[in-house]
Amino acid sequence: RKEVEQDPGPFNVPEGATVAFNCTYSNSASQSFFWYRQDCRKEPKLLMSVYSSGNEDGRFTAQLNRASQYISLLIRDSKLSDSATYLCVVIRYSNYQLIWGAGTKLIIKP
Amino acid sequence: GAGVSQSPRYKVAKRGQDVALRCDPISGHVSLFWYQQALGQGPEFLTYFQNEAQLDKSGLPSDRFFAERPEGSVSTLKIQRTQQEDSAVYLCASSPGGAGGNQPQHFGDGTRLSIL
Repeated sequence: RKEVEQDPGPFNVPEGATVAFNCTYSNSASQSFFWYRQDCRKEPKLLMSVYSSGNEDGRFTAQLNRASQYISLLIRDSKLSDSATYLCVVIRYSNYQLIWGAGTKLIIKP
Repeated sequence: GAGVSQSPRYKVAKRGQDVALRCDPISGHVSLFWYQQALGQGPEFLTYFQNEAQLDKSGLPSDRFFAERPEGSVSTLKIQRTQQEDSAVYLCASSPGGAGGNQPQHFGDGTRLSIL
């Protein structure tokens, strides 16, 4: 079982809809969490950090559930430009390594 | 620009050739990481430098892979006697501080390596 798992999708969502997806992690010592966005044939770019209290940045909301060991990303009022692969990243407390999920592909349709 | 710069963007090599991939991190960034990303997968860790010190090379898939960062800034990833399975995108990332912490990494555009 991979340490960080994501539903690969694709999630096909109409423009304007709300979409959410989760990422589960298996190592309870995981300390820090991020969501990155990767467009086709481009490098990953940081979307947002995930804080224990949850955080919101415009249309994007990230949540952390330590008890169930998952993080979530919710996108409201989705735009065509939100189409991308969303990668979940976990940093272990005792290590600097970023552990990456394989990504969830999101396709926003007009 | 002010971001992480990688070169070349694309590299095609014949099996058995040696290749060298360059990463120029954000100025002043202490940490530098190399990742290998296969199609449809997340980046897989290869190696980590803190300044010029290579603190972790546990992700390097074989002894054909070698990385260096002699002056604590620019890094080179070298692959000797390339094999077809080396075909992937090689990503370099840097972050401001040292090991650990809650610091996101900033990525370069990657080098897309194709071994024929």
